[in-house]
Amino acid sequence: TQLLEQSPQFLSIQEGENLTVYCNSSSVFSSLQWYRQEPGEGPVLLVTVVTGGEVKKLKRLTFQFGDARKDSSLHITAAQPGDTGLYLCAGPAINSGGSNYKLTFGKGTLLTVNP
Amino acid sequence: SAVISQKPSRDICQRGTSLTIQCQVDSQVTMMFWYRQQPGQSLTLIATANQGSEATYESGFVIDKFPISRPNLTFSTLTVSNMSPEDSSIYLCSVGVSTNSPLHFGNGTRLTVT
Repeated sequence: TQLLEQSPQFLSIQEGENLTVYCNSSSVFSSLQWYRQEPGEGPVLLVTVVTGGEVKKLKRLTFQFGDARKDSSLHITAAQPGDTGLYLCAGPAINSGGSNYKLTFGKGTLLTVNP
Repeated sequence: SAVISQKPSRDICQRGTSLTIQCQVDSQVTMMFWYRQQPGQSLTLIATANQGSEATYESGFVIDKFPISRPNLTFSTLTVSNMSPEDSSIYLCSVGVSTNSPLHFGNGTRLTVT
């Protein structure tokens, strides 16, 4: 089975602090996706990383895909209360043929940014 | 992108009853899926809803428990049958607009079975 382990599970920080959350696996993934989910809503795609070593930036969010394509990280600079949410990483499921539709998800990191 | 309307948004049901969840998309989409998000657990794919034919279920999920319909390219339903408290979860509809496009999720149905 393909497992995506996310850490930490919970993170509570003050506005303005920096943070990093991790997504690790023993399996190689052709790509990994990061989603943010707010209470009462479905996950919203933030980014897809496809190349080992790739770094993508989305405003204050920096995503990195490991060289071996087994892990990824999300770094947030100067966190804002609006960054609060559940951050999920996901990758193509083992029976998906590499499709980005059949996904296996990590359990997520629940981030709270306090004003 | 696609706008997904999922109904109901939440429900409280008694053990042994069934609930049908509806997913309506504002445009035709290639792929429709149903996921389950249990408390403290990751999202798990239940099945792929196939237009005009039987859904494709993932390991651990069966048609008798989770019958799915998809009569056209914009609509699907998921029924949770003969419910037990273990079925308490958030059920999410998701769609792929076209090949290799991002996956979009509805806001989910929060189901509590008492």
